[in-house]
Amino acid sequence: DGGITQSPKYLFRKEGQNVTLSCEQNLNHDAMYWYRQDPGQGLRLIYYSQIVNDFQKGDIAEGYSVSREKKESFPLTVTSAQKNPTAFYLCASTRGGYSPLHFGNGTRLTVT
Amino acid sequence: RKEVEQDPGPFNVPEGATVAFNCTYSNSASQSFFWYRQDCRKEPKLLMSVYSSGNEDGRFTAQLNRASQYISLLIRDSKLSDSATYLCVVKGDNDMRFGAGTRLTVKP
Repeated sequence: DGGITQSPKYLFRKEGQNVTLSCEQNLNHDAMYWYRQDPGQGLRLIYYSQIVNDFQKGDIAEGYSVSREKKESFPLTVTSAQKNPTAFYLCASTRGGYSPLHFGNGTRLTVT
Repeated sequence: RKEVEQDPGPFNVPEGATVAFNCTYSNSASQSFFWYRQDCRKEPKLLMSVYSSGNEDGRFTAQLNRASQYISLLIRDSKLSDSATYLCVVKGDNDMRFGAGTRLTVKP
């Protein structure tokens, strides 16, 4: 079945460590997105990518980095520069145009 | 000003009630619009796209007003299972931006 896979579901890290969240899709979608959600809050856009080897910052890109070396993959690295990294991270993709977003199941990151 | 703003809620309604949510957006060049539903600690799931002429899917009706830059979602005959957070999404040139969400609780 086609879909978006995020791994792991839960991730625990010590403060000061970089951590990379995986996002893979087999929907053949061109565009991919990373969002962050804090408790009781909406989704905030971190980074997005319309095509391979190209990506743009969203509203809260500071302390994060991404790569898009393959169409299927859009990993997100949470660096030690991110001041409050504990959150629910959601990856999504879309065919583009007027098509909606499809989401992965999310990764809950806890940094202590 | 946020790019996408929603009624803050929460909305607490009895079963069978009709409830409406609104969402305003600031980018007049926005191209497409959606309503998503999110259950607690889960990923958002598409509820419906919003078309210029308005559209209906069972008990759910979505409307778009481009002149006033808002979209709405109407839920008729509310069910207990409708309890969730409803998120509006607006697509600009390339980005997809979410409202903060409106929490709905339907009570017996």
